[in-house]
Amino acid sequence: GAGVSQTPSNKVTEKGKYVELRCDPISGHTALYWYRQSLGQGPEFLIYFQGTGAADDSGLPNDRFFAVRPEGSVSTLKIQRTERGDSAVYLCASSSGQVGAGNTIYFGEGSWLTVV
Amino acid sequence: GQNIDQPTEMTATEGAIVQINCTYQTSGFNGLFWYQQHAGEAPTFLSYNVLDGLEEKGRFSSFLSRSKGYSYLLLKELQMKDSASYLCAVNAPGAGSYQLTFGKGTKLSVIP
Repeated sequence: GAGVSQTPSNKVTEKGKYVELRCDPISGHTALYWYRQSLGQGPEFLIYFQGTGAADDSGLPNDRFFAVRPEGSVSTLKIQRTERGDSAVYLCASSSGQVGAGNTIYFGEGSWLTVV
Repeated sequence: GQNIDQPTEMTATEGAIVQINCTYQTSGFNGLFWYQQHAGEAPTFLSYNVLDGLEEKGRFSSFLSRSKGYSYLLLKELQMKDSASYLCAVNAPGAGSYQLTFGKGTKLSVIP
């Protein structure tokens, strides 16, 4: 597609439930990122994929969070046993190459998750 | 660790010039990005600096001093639509060359 697409745009779930957030990156972008943004904060890195593999998942806060990208395109962020502290905007981004080489990261609109 | 500081809020008048500062302390440095984020929307790329000096792009300019760990974003001829948060982000090898570490953002309000 023309831009990074994320679904759902809004999700309200009960504490303890399981949630999946989907990201469709810009066509041809091999690098895919998940960030989390809380109110009044900048985006915080969660995980990075290069192709199908998670090259760095050091930002995932705990083992309730998991992400996959089985075919090297669409990615799903999975959150188990959700807690109220998980409420945030989950931003997906993609780039055509490594950020360090000056390639720009393009963000999606985000999935607004509210855990009640 | 990585630390990025920018003012929380700024207010400026339509038609004026505003400078948003960003200071950083990071493990190495591969480049600095500025993003604009309107409320409820995705961050959008504004500028990238990797060498010292000023990069100009229309009404927006960005400056970098690597020795001082300092950057600023300059917005000229302010328009009401420039009201948004402006995010400073650094790419540093110490955090993984594919990561951006973001500041908390500066919320700019443009008033008539």
